[in-house]
Amino acid sequence: AAGVIQSPRHLIKEKRETATLKCYPIPRHDTVYWYQQGPGQDPQFLISFYEKMQSDKGSIPDRFSAQQFSDYHSELNMSSLELGDSALYFCASSLNGGYTDTQYFGPGTRLTVL
Amino acid sequence: DAKTTQPNSMESNEEEPVHLPCNHSTISGTDYIHWYRQLPSQGPEYVIHGLTSNVNNRMASLAIAEDRKSSTLILHRATLRDAAVYYCILSGMGSREAKLIFGTGTRLQVFP
Repeated sequence: AAGVIQSPRHLIKEKRETATLKCYPIPRHDTVYWYQQGPGQDPQFLISFYEKMQSDKGSIPDRFSAQQFSDYHSELNMSSLELGDSALYFCASSLNGGYTDTQYFGPGTRLTVL
Repeated sequence: DAKTTQPNSMESNEEEPVHLPCNHSTISGTDYIHWYRQLPSQGPEYVIHGLTSNVNNRMASLAIAEDRKSSTLILHRATLRDAAVYYCILSGMGSREAKLIFGTGTRLQVFP
């Protein structure tokens, strides 16, 4: 079965650079969630999209922005990168995005900021 | 968001049953109880969810207390592959979409 695809899997950037993370949800899934997991920490919700509209927002820095495109893939744009942005970034997708729906997670993008 | 409390860690031997507890005393009537797990170096993975009745699937069973203030995830026969961090998460009608609020979870170690 098709799973959530994230690219790139690994990314190394310098401080103050920008980064773009991509997420391709499971086919027919219309809801995408982004989570950040710092070293030794638990995943933290950043932002979500339902039918290409932002649906919920967590502790996402103003330096980060995201969107969901017409084909339902999503991109997380990160600017003015800081050392503290080094983390695993997970994308998850669900069908319909209801609070009872299962979220399927991708393998994550490991971002390292030097 | 309603809060959950789980033990930091638990241990089990392979092929033994494992009971992972979760307390959620402030749960509301519409909150669902979800369990996800995260294997090392992987994204979280759905395990099971329920509202009031006990639930079974191919991975595990979920036992929900009658007052819904606690629940227990049951792995019937632990395998080495079940070593992971298990998260008990509540979601309800607070928003149209169901972000997952991860707590600290229970780190399960399985010994051969």
